[in-house]
Amino acid sequence: EDQVTQSPEALRLQEGESSSLNCSYTVSGLRGLFWYRQDPGKGPEFLFTLYSAGEEKEKERLKATLTKKESFLHITAPKPEDSATYLCAVQEESGTYKYIFGTGTRLKVLA
Amino acid sequence: GAVVSQHPSWVICKSGTSVKIECRSLDFQATTMFWYRQFPKQSLMLMATSNEGSKATYEQGVEKDKFLINHASLTLSTLTVTSAHPEDSSFYICSARRGHTEAFFGQGTRLTVV
Repeated sequence: EDQVTQSPEALRLQEGESSSLNCSYTVSGLRGLFWYRQDPGKGPEFLFTLYSAGEEKEKERLKATLTKKESFLHITAPKPEDSATYLCAVQEESGTYKYIFGTGTRLKVLA
Repeated sequence: GAVVSQHPSWVICKSGTSVKIECRSLDFQATTMFWYRQFPKQSLMLMATSNEGSKATYEQGVEKDKFLINHASLTLSTLTVTSAHPEDSSFYICSARRGHTEAFFGQGTRLTVV
């Protein structure tokens, strides 16, 4: 069964304290892996798409990487405004190409 | 970036009435639109997938007669919650897929049924 697991569930960091969020996935065929940021009461905001193992994408303090079994979202020198829930989703290669979401990591960055 | 607009942002309705939520892709044509439901501190639960001009595909356990989805054009999909009851209160989010991969989300609709 296709599955996406994110860890940790919650993470508290001091401002400037770098860390990584993990997204492990099991899917019969991977079309793409996506990272989103969600603020409370808002819809998810698109961050990155990764398609193949070894691929990396960067945006400001965020860097996403992909292997055959997992993806990492590295946050370098985070700021309080990076506080949000980060969601990972995988897209199946066949069928309706629907997305399977993980339960997210709630990140809190303290000033 | 691609913009998806969802309206209304919040709605309060009386039990037994119907509520319509709109989802529009503003600057691209969406091949597919998705409707999700999200409970507090939980992830997104896919309700249905819709393609323009065809019937929506509902996920197991989702009542198609309660949650009516219409995908009238490549830029507009609507979700109607019929005969809403307090247990339907939730955060509903749509997303629109550009091409075959990237999906962009609306800002969500907070539905409260009293």
